[in-house]
Amino acid sequence: NAGVTQTPKFRILKIGQSMTLQCTQDMNHNYMYWYRQDPGMGLKLIYYSVGAGITDKGEVPNGYNVSRSTTEDFPLRLELAAPSQTSVYFCASSFGLDDTQYFGPGTRLTVL
Amino acid sequence: AQSVTQPDIHITVSEGASLELRCNYSYGATPYLFWYVQSPGQGLQLLLKYFSGDTLVQGIKGFEAEFKRSQSSFNLRKPSVHWSDAAEYFCAVGARGTNAGKSTFGDGTTLTVKP
Repeated sequence: NAGVTQTPKFRILKIGQSMTLQCTQDMNHNYMYWYRQDPGMGLKLIYYSVGAGITDKGEVPNGYNVSRSTTEDFPLRLELAAPSQTSVYFCASSFGLDDTQYFGPGTRLTVL
Repeated sequence: AQSVTQPDIHITVSEGASLELRCNYSYGATPYLFWYVQSPGQGLQLLLKYFSGDTLVQGIKGFEAEFKRSQSSFNLRKPSVHWSDAAEYFCAVGARGTNAGKSTFGDGTTLTVKP
């Protein structure tokens, strides 16, 4: 049982490039989340999903897209990367919306 | 909209001393409340949570927190801190109803433990 896994661990992008952050969970959780954590700050919710095919915006969705085609996977897409997207990105999952969220190890992204 | 304030950015305590980390929230009804811990370079791990019922909640690693509705607070406590408790601590509030799923995190409190 690996829990929540994220790839890659680190990535450097140039301004305007695009990339997909991968997130997979093997706990059969319905709910999955993407957060970003800027230095010295708490986590801010980007998008979340309540099940395959259903996603909703969080607090800071601009510049990102998500899809949820399977229960296990919840990729986060960055189009036209900007320096403001330099952050650490965490994926999480939970059994229910009010249940404990289990976090992945994070992806550290730098946009130059 | 819900919000969370952690008034202390950084706290230093001696090993063996007691600890209290403050958390104040704003939410229109009874919230879901969480405390998470983050070690350097790691993801967040849940310490404890409050949904309803007993306002004193016990968590892992000897931590507890008390929900005080009148003060809109959910402070985290530990009677005797260990060096391994040095980490960043986040308080979070989870919404109920139509906004369920949208948790809001505080900016965190960094705990340093002196030998």
